[in-house]
Amino acid sequence: SAVISQKPSRDICQRGTSLTIQCQVDSQVTMMFWYRQQPGQSLTLIATANQGSEATYESGFVIDKFPISRPNLTFSTLTVSNMSPEDSSIYLCSGGSSYEQYFGPGTRLTVT
Amino acid sequence: GIQVEQSPPDLILQEGANSTLRCNFSDSVNNLQWFHQNPWGQLINLFYIPSGTKQNGRLSATTVATERYSLLYISSSQTTDSGVYFCAARGRDDYKLSFGAGTTVTVRA
Repeated sequence: SAVISQKPSRDICQRGTSLTIQCQVDSQVTMMFWYRQQPGQSLTLIATANQGSEATYESGFVIDKFPISRPNLTFSTLTVSNMSPEDSSIYLCSGGSSYEQYFGPGTRLTVT
Repeated sequence: GIQVEQSPPDLILQEGANSTLRCNFSDSVNNLQWFHQNPWGQLINLFYIPSGTKQNGRLSATTVATERYSLLYISSSQTTDSGVYFCAARGRDDYKLSFGAGTTVTVRA
């Protein structure tokens, strides 16, 4: 199994600003992902974080808005840029192998 | 990508009752997982079950891969079982886990 930590756990930000979320996995994982969960909704994949190269984004998500880094196998960051109230969500980091996938505790973001 | 449907969307139980949650998926899978999201938003892994049957305490799950569905059983429910239960699946030719809409379970004392 993998234990995943994220920080910050929550934040309140003003519109127009940016927030970087950090994700640390306790063991090497082959895959790392970032998800968004809007209030009352299910989880939506933002992108796959690729080690040492550009992330692979899902339809509707772009690098300028959600830049992602993964400098090594156990660490990744997601930045939410130029935030608006519509970005208020829980952002979850996930890691795993080709089998089971695990999730961090999430970052609860409120944009005012 | 694979489509995942969960039913029912909401479930209200009296403490001590048993229940069954269902997950249908649209294609062959190499990963099928059940999660419980607690009130603080944490996703707890319940089962990794692309096929077969597993049990963990009061919870058990069965996946019938050939018929493309999975069931999660909660027995002798407790108030701490309240929360949202998600089913997620990854197709054989896919790289990502697709989530169902979830079942919101409320257990009343």
